[in-house]
Amino acid sequence: DQQVKQNSPSLSVQEGRISILNCDYTNSMFDYFLWYKKYPAEGPTFLISISSIKDKNEDGRFTVFLNKSAKHLSLHIVPSQPGDSAVYFCAASISGSGTYKYIFGTGTRLKVLA
Amino acid sequence: DTAVSQTPKYLVTQMGNDKSIKCEQNLGHDTMYWYKQDSKKFLKIMFSYNNKELIINETVPNRFSPKSPDKAHLNLHINSLELGDSAVYFCASSQRGSSTDTQYFGPGTRLTVL
Repeated sequence: DQQVKQNSPSLSVQEGRISILNCDYTNSMFDYFLWYKKYPAEGPTFLISISSIKDKNEDGRFTVFLNKSAKHLSLHIVPSQPGDSAVYFCAASISGSGTYKYIFGTGTRLKVLA
Repeated sequence: DTAVSQTPKYLVTQMGNDKSIKCEQNLGHDTMYWYKQDSKKFLKIMFSYNNKELIINETVPNRFSPKSPDKAHLNLHINSLELGDSAVYFCASSQRGSSTDTQYFGPGTRLTVL
């Protein structure tokens, strides 16, 4: 039972345009969400997070939007750069659960075309 | 100055063998994790240790045994390797182990069982 889903395995975007990566979740107990970026042959690196008390969090070119009623979050990258080409994973957790764990989606491969 | 390091990076072995993967973090974190990324790119937690104490043990065959000699190290020993164990294994660490703590990942160990 995959509780965090990224239904688009890949996405191509022109340099300078907006990249929108989507993530859906099924467990309504999730209240903390993260995005990780992964380059080939490297481990995932943290990008941005959002708590369920917010519906938007911004960090430079990266913005995460959370729609709790739809159980959906998205990552916007504006403007997209060739160096953003990577696999992006969303993850979810239940804060205060004492379980210390993230549930990851299967990732979306973003290719930014120069 | 690598924050989370794993050895070896690649491991090719025969079915039935026993092998170990080592992980070290120099971030001073209290909590360490092992994740498995299978052929479907699904990144799933296996174990978590907090201050050398096992706190997460997902449904993993008991052929997998984590060992944490100290807070900075979490090793993974796998007995009687099977074809299905082929995957990329990632080690990670976080400050306290709260489910809202950022986790920092190592570069991964690609295990191939022949």
